[in-house]
Amino acid sequence: GAVVSQHPSWVICKSGTSVKIECRSLDFQATTMFWYRQFPKQSLMLMATSNEGSKATYEQGVEKDKFLINHASLTLSTLTVTSAHPEDSSFYICSAYFSGNNEQFFGPGTRLTVL
Amino acid sequence: GNSVTQMEGPVTLSEEAFLTINCTYTATGYPSLFWYVQYPGEGLQLLLKATKADDKGSNKGFEATYRKETTSFHLEKGSVQVSDSAVYFCALTPGQNFVFGPGTRLSVLP
Repeated sequence: GAVVSQHPSWVICKSGTSVKIECRSLDFQATTMFWYRQFPKQSLMLMATSNEGSKATYEQGVEKDKFLINHASLTLSTLTVTSAHPEDSSFYICSAYFSGNNEQFFGPGTRLTVL
Repeated sequence: GNSVTQMEGPVTLSEEAFLTINCTYTATGYPSLFWYVQYPGEGLQLLLKATKADDKGSNKGFEATYRKETTSFHLEKGSVQVSDSAVYFCALTPGQNFVFGPGTRLSVLP
């Protein structure tokens, strides 16, 4: 099956700093990628839809100025958590949509801890 | 709107027991239905899917049937193993966006 990678797999940062998370589709082109957030023992919450070459579409309640999304190519989307605070600590998961079989492939996730 | 409801966990079973995790959905149109599994510390892996009514998805001994009349997609396995311990998410997609259920944590004891 198709492979989606995320980097880094985990990151620890100080409050007030910014963190960038990369999501790559390794063997297919994805015009659409999705970013999810998962709190401990909870389900995935869709944060935003990232379309290549255009602005991301954010879900209600997600601050677009805090969670910057860039989808500069058909294989790469980045999520930057700006001025991170402890409440931003979470597991962030991306997925890439493969139109060939109408399926999403998920990355392994990035665990962010803000001290 | 679209939503997915799953039975609340955690579910604890002995090895070789029969597993059922209930999933019901609300959706406009005819969504595709999925079961994803998440092992500790990892991302989601597709377990099985069904794209139309009466389809049965199956993989690794797990199976689920798309029941339009009851809007359900219950996950079953005849004999669970310790390695099946994970969180299972039922999901639907009317298009590209996914709507996930809350997840059901399964623990299988030896």
